[in-house]
Parts: sequence; structure tokens; C-alpha cells
Amino acid sequence: AQKVTQAQTEISVVEKEDVTLDCVYETRDTTYYLFWYKQPPSGELVFLIRRNSFDEQNEISGRYSWNFQKSTSSFNFTITASQVVDSAVYFCALIPRTGRRALTFGSGTRLQVQP
Amino acid sequence: DAGVTQSPTHLIKTRGQQVTLRCSPKSGHDTVSWYQQALGQGPQFIFQYYEEEERQRGNFPDRFSGHQFPNYSSELNVNALLLGDSALYLCASSLVQDGNTGELFFGEGSRLTVL
Repeated sequence: AQKVTQAQTEISVVEKEDVTLDCVYETRDTTYYLFWYKQPPSGELVFLIRRNSFDEQNEISGRYSWNFQKSTSSFNFTITASQVVDSAVYFCALIPRTGRRALTFGSGTRLQVQP
Repeated sequence: DAGVTQSPTHLIKTRGQQVTLRCSPKSGHDTVSWYQQALGQGPQFIFQYYEEEERQRGNFPDRFSGHQFPNYSSELNVNALLLGDSALYLCASSLVQDGNTGELFFGEGSRLTVL
């Protein structure tokens, strides 16, 4: 079984601040994929990034960056110079590389970016 | 290219009633998954359909059933509604050949309120 924990329920920042969203996971699978999704008020889950368990290279994409550390089972997500449009609920999720094709989501972190 | 579309967007039912939710997958996708998202929680996997058969199922009772049609669209049926069934129901589509890379495309959901 898998478990994803997002300990931060809600974060509020002022525009242009950097913000990091934390994600810790548990799985017995040796290979798996990790994801971050964004859910704006419309409800649709928007895919942000996928990372596989054997690729610990961290990545920067524009204002977004990800820090994957397999040793601590963490997959944190940072937004640099936050904007009001970044306000949403962010979900971390995990799926095993083989087996049941179902994402296990964390409970989400609500990010409020104030102007 | 239309994404995942769901209907209805909102509906209100009373306890004991039955409900049917509908989903049209992204063009070219052959697999449909359904998730239940209670208020303030992450989505929970209900089941997945491919080739008109239920292939995977989460921890949901038999009151939750589904169907997939030859055109890959899908329905989610919930019988004997309970107050606890109130949630956002999300449909996600993917290609079976992509395996568990798991990039799911989500619709905006159907928000069900049970009174």
C-alpha cells in the first residue's frame, strides 16, 4: 500500500515570495512515479510534473523547481517569485511503476498568494 | 482537441436516491478512471475501465458501479445515496499503452450534494 502525506494544510504568502510545498511518501514498491498536480477553483486537476523513482536529478522549469530525495522519501515543490495566479490547491501523488494503475494522492496544500 | 468532459457539473440528490454521472475522455484515450474527492481531501480512486470492463477497483462498496461504452465514454452510478457520498467526482482519461506513467487528464468534475 502507498501513502502520501502533505503536512501543510494551508500556506499564505505575499506575491513575489518563494514558497515550498512539502510531500513525504511511503511505498513498498521499488520503482514508482511521483507527481504534482494543481487544482484551481474550477476543480480540474492540472498535471505539473512526473518524476520516476530512479531519477533523482532535480529540475527547474521556469518558476517551478522540484527536490526529490529518495533517502528521505520526500518530493518537495518550490514556486519562485509567486504570483496571484498560483493560488490553488496542490496535490502530491504516487503510482507504482507496475501493478494497480491508481494514483494515491496526499490531502493537498492550499496556497494563497496575496497581492 | 477536446479534453475530458463531465456532466452534470452540479447536482443535488436526497438520501436513498440513485445518481448517474457521465464522462467523455480526451480524444484518442481508451481508459477512464473515476475518483471521489471529499471536501478538503485528496482524490480517492474508485475504479478504472478499459475495453468496456472494470479493470481495477479501489475500496468502494458495490453501490458504486460503472460502465464504459464502445466510444470509450463512461458512466459512474451510485445507488442508495448516503450523506457521505457528497463529493466532487472526477473522471480521468489515459492511454493503456502508457502503462503506469500515469499522466492522467482530468475533467472538472461533477459536484454531488446529498441531502
